Amino acid sequence: GAVVSQHPSRVICKSGTSVKIECRSLDFQATTMFWYRQFPKQSLMLMATSNEGSKATYEQGVEKDKFLINHASLTLSTLTVTSAHPEDSSFYICSARVGDRDGYTFGSGTRLTVV
Amino acid sequence: GNSVTQMEGPVTLSEEAFLTINCTYTATGYPSLFWYVQYPGEGLQLLLKATKADDKGSNKGFEATYRKETTSFHLEKGSVQVSDSAVYFCALTPNQAGTALIFGKGTTLSVSS
Repeated sequence: GAVVSQHPSRVICKSGTSVKIECRSLDFQATTMFWYRQFPKQSLMLMATSNEGSKATYEQGVEKDKFLINHASLTLSTLTVTSAHPEDSSFYICSARVGDRDGYTFGSGTRLTVV
Repeated sequence: GNSVTQMEGPVTLSEEAFLTINCTYTATGYPSLFWYVQYPGEGLQLLLKATKADDKGSNKGFEATYRKETTSFHLEKGSVQVSDSAVYFCALTPNQAGTALIFGKGTTLSVSS
């Protein structure tokens, strides 16, 4: 089946630094990827939709200058958390739509801790 | 707009008890409906799905029926196991090109032996 590989699975960084999270589609081409953020014991909140070769579409309230998304190829989308602060600590998950109209696959998530 | 509402948790059950987790939705058009499960420390896994009214999705003893008249997609299992302890998310997609899944808030299930 379609697999999305997400790295790193865990990362700890200092306040003020930037962190890059990668999502790769391993056996299919993903023209669109979605980035979610999950707070502890809460649902997944869609942050942005990443489109290959064009600018990402951000959801209302998401700072596009803070959460930089790049989808430079059909198999790779990246989320960079810039100038990270402790409140950015969260679980970030990527997802891609696969094949027919109701197929989605998810990365395994990245636990970001900003200290 | 499109949204998903699921029952608040946590749900605590004894092994072999009957499980129901309610989910209702609001959507335009003809959405597809999903249940995802997230085990502790892990990512999301698709549990089951239904793409049109009256469809029943089933997997691992779990079932859910797409009810358009009541805009519901309740998750049921006849006999839960300790290993079913997880967070369950109801979700929909509007089935428009390039649209993401929209999730409910999740329901935590805890099953004790």
